[in-house]
Amino acid sequence: DIQMTQSPSALSASVGDRVTITCRASQSISSWLAWYQQKPGKAPNLLIYKASRLQTGVPSRFSGSGSGTEFTLTISSLQPDDFATYYCQQYTGYLYTFGQGTKLEIK
Amino acid sequence: EAQLVESGGRLVQPGGSLKLSCAASGFTFSGSAMHWVRQASGKGLEWVGRIRSKANSYATTYAASVKGRFTISRDDSQNTAYLQMNSLKTEDTAVYYCTRHKDDEGFDYWGQGTLVTVSS
Repeated sequence: DIQMTQSPSALSASVGDRVTITCRASQSISSWLAWYQQKPGKAPNLLIYKASRLQTGVPSRFSGSGSGTEFTLTISSLQPDDFATYYCQQYTGYLYTFGQGTKLEIK
Repeated sequence: EAQLVESGGRLVQPGGSLKLSCAASGFTFSGSAMHWVRQASGKGLEWVGRIRSKANSYATTYAASVKGRFTISRDDSQNTAYLQMNSLKTEDTAVYYCTRHKDDEGFDYWGQGTLVTVSS
């Protein structure tokens, strides 16, 4: 099974900061990676798919990069609405795995 | 507007069974792969399983933690997906979400979730 490891597990940052979250796969997943944002009590929301493609309606301050086993989610300038938990997910087509999550908190 | 609505969650005893439903609207359900994802309180997301479309032979696959106990099915005439859960364990306690996987993209539509509590 493919394991997904996110770092850090938690992150404190301020409005306006640039933030990067890393996701590593235990084996190559090409570009079959998605990023989700989840707020307390709500369902996850798709931000990025195929490692770097922005989902319709998602602000352009969110961006994704990487391929193979190493991926990053970057928020270029944090807004108050961005404080949430972020998950990566691999979807290579048979078994699907989420990372453990990164909780982004206000400093 | 696309919508997914889960139902059927409740308190059930260990060893019991439960069937969840996911009613879809606002998109072409019959052509979509449907997944179930769960989340225990205060924990991360765990993928449970998926069912593909008729064009892909309704193929199913499951996480190791539920394989042999859970079964996903669908009724395209009713735009509904199901999760049959048998031999429930306390560790199956979670909010269960259904979600649509769009082609080569991610999981773009999610329901609001339904709470399953396994306890004596």
